[in-house]
Amino acid sequence: DTAVSQTPKYLVTQMGNDKSIKCEQNLGHDTMYWYKQDSKKFLKIMFSYNNKELIINETVPNRFSPKSPDKAHLNLHINSLELGDSAVYFCATADRRDNEQFFGPGTRLTVL
Amino acid sequence: KQEVTQIPAALSVPEGENLVLNCSFTDSAIYNLQWFRQDPGKGLTSLLLIQSSQREQTSGRLNASLDKSSGRSTLYIAASQPGDSATYLCAVIKGGSEKLVFGKGTKLTVNP
Repeated sequence: DTAVSQTPKYLVTQMGNDKSIKCEQNLGHDTMYWYKQDSKKFLKIMFSYNNKELIINETVPNRFSPKSPDKAHLNLHINSLELGDSAVYFCATADRRDNEQFFGPGTRLTVL
Repeated sequence: KQEVTQIPAALSVPEGENLVLNCSFTDSAIYNLQWFRQDPGKGLTSLLLIQSSQREQTSGRLNASLDKSSGRSTLYIAASQPGDSATYLCAVIKGGSEKLVFGKGTKLTVNP
């Protein structure tokens, strides 16, 4: 049983398209995150949600919009995709007791 | 602004050697520090979490220490094995924040 899952694992699309990445967790954690790992492998936070409420928005273009339909899901919608959006996107969750974070397997997005 | 530095960026050792990976952070007001492992093309696996009030944590052959006042943590790997080859990431959360700030990682290669 995967604790944090993401779909799809790979996403190849053309510039200008709109796409979504889905994240689901079965850990019962209240906090969920989206991180971006660039081509140099540097990981940076994009958003965090706590109980479906947006907590952190780290100067991410407004083409990126997270949506949390319920506590177990945090989806990432990206409009008007650009070449620079190519990266690996990771979903993560945190245990509120100690803030230990658990990551999903990642979604590799390639924009052509 | 919190910055996390990991030295060295890459390390290659023969199997069986004990080794130390270093992590330093600029703002000592952290809530906790987490060490992760990332295998190529995979997500992050949490290895050890050290709360700000703790000095060290151990799991199997891994031992992580934390010196908050000097802004340093080390990850000690005993009797290294080829299966330990991966990129090791250090990340900190500031007190009162949800945000995990990552270093750029140390790529470890253990040669048989």
